[in-house]
Amino acid sequence: AQKVTQAQTEISVVEKEDVTLDCVYETRDTTYYLFWYKQPPSGELVFLIRRNSFDEQNEISGRYSWNFQKSTSSFNFTITASQVVDSAVYFCALSEARNDKLIFGTGTRLQVFP
Amino acid sequence: KAGVTQTPRYLIKTRGQQVTLSCSPISGHRSVSWYQQTPGQGLQFLFEYFSETQRNKGNFPGRFSGRQFSNSRSEMNVSTLELGDSALYLCASSLPASSADTQYFGPGTRLTVL
Repeated sequence: AQKVTQAQTEISVVEKEDVTLDCVYETRDTTYYLFWYKQPPSGELVFLIRRNSFDEQNEISGRYSWNFQKSTSSFNFTITASQVVDSAVYFCALSEARNDKLIFGTGTRLQVFP
Repeated sequence: KAGVTQTPRYLIKTRGQQVTLSCSPISGHRSVSWYQQTPGQGLQFLFEYFSETQRNKGNFPGRFSGRQFSNSRSEMNVSTLELGDSALYLCASSLPASSADTQYFGPGTRLTVL
């Protein structure tokens, strides 16, 4: 069965600290897709990144970076030099090749204090 | 390009009533998915429509239904509302090019059932 685990319920940091959000997934499929979404207080889910199961290359986008490791079924997200605007709930999600249904983790609430 | 729009943004209903939520996808997107978000159950997949056909369905009772029109706009209906239906209902659209295309979310409709 598919499952996404985000063990960190809430993380608090002070501005400019680096923070890593953990995501562990389970799937029996060999082809699957992983996503990170950000949900600010307004409620809209904002797409951050998509990674295919056959592409383990890590990615960096500005202050954001993602570490995908199939060996440990993890897809962790790091924010470097965090800012107050990064405060939000972050969701990791999984979908399999045979359908478009997203399976979400329970989310990690990140609070960045000035 | 305009994003996914959902109407209404807020809704208050009483038990036993029915409700219809609307979603307009990003221009050119033909797949629309619906998700329910509650504090207790998190984000859960309701159903997905593509070319006016339900392509995938989550584990929700038959009181939850949807449809898609020829212009890809979608509606979701909940009949005989229960207190537990209070939630944020999120709609997402994606291109139909391949499975597991990235889904882009709207701002959601917050439904309160009294």
